[in-house]
Amino acid sequence: QKEVEQDPGPLSVPEGAIVSLNCTYSNSAFQYFMWYRQYSRKGPELLMYTYSSGNKEDGRFTAQVDKSSKYISLFIRDSQPSDSATYLCAMSSNSNSGYALNFGKGTSLLVTP
Amino acid sequence: DSGVTQTPKHLITATGQRVTLRCSPRSGDLSVYWYQQSLDQGLQFLIQYYNGEERAKGNILERFSAQQFPDLHSELNLSSLELGDSALYFCASSTAGGSGNTIYFGEGSWLTVV
Repeated sequence: QKEVEQDPGPLSVPEGAIVSLNCTYSNSAFQYFMWYRQYSRKGPELLMYTYSSGNKEDGRFTAQVDKSSKYISLFIRDSQPSDSATYLCAMSSNSNSGYALNFGKGTSLLVTP
Repeated sequence: DSGVTQTPKHLITATGQRVTLRCSPRSGDLSVYWYQQSLDQGLQFLIQYYNGEERAKGNILERFSAQQFPDLHSELNLSSLELGDSALYFCASSTAGGSGNTIYFGEGSWLTVV
């Protein structure tokens, strides 16, 4: 079992919809949680960063972390066609011996006009 | 633009050959990371360097090696290439080398082994 699980989709929604993307994980040592957006054949772009549990909001994006359930979410409000991309969750533990991100395989999102 | 520069963007090479991928981190970043992205495995951490020293090692094959130079740029060397090494290789950088730092990715180097 991979440490980080993410539904690959594809997820198709109409413009203006609220999008919910999720990841589950098995390693209780994970403390840092990130969401990256990746357009086709481009480098991942950091969207949201959260430390430990809780919510964080940035514009149309909200990230939630529930460490008790080992479950993280990204919500996109008022989705736009330009949000069509692959969304990758990533997480890491607190370590003194380096910093490696563990990624989900990504969820492909298509927002249709 | 993340500020992380990778060259070449694309390369095609034959099995058994050796290639070198180059990365320049963002200005001021001391830590460099290499990741491999394939369709079936997703993004996999290969190796991290911090200020010239190896800091962490992931699923990097023995045929692969990396280094970070005094000017902080990094190179990933891939040798005895196999068809399965075809992937997108990303370099990333962060200010420091410890947990919790924000990591910025370059645009990647597409490697096709034929």
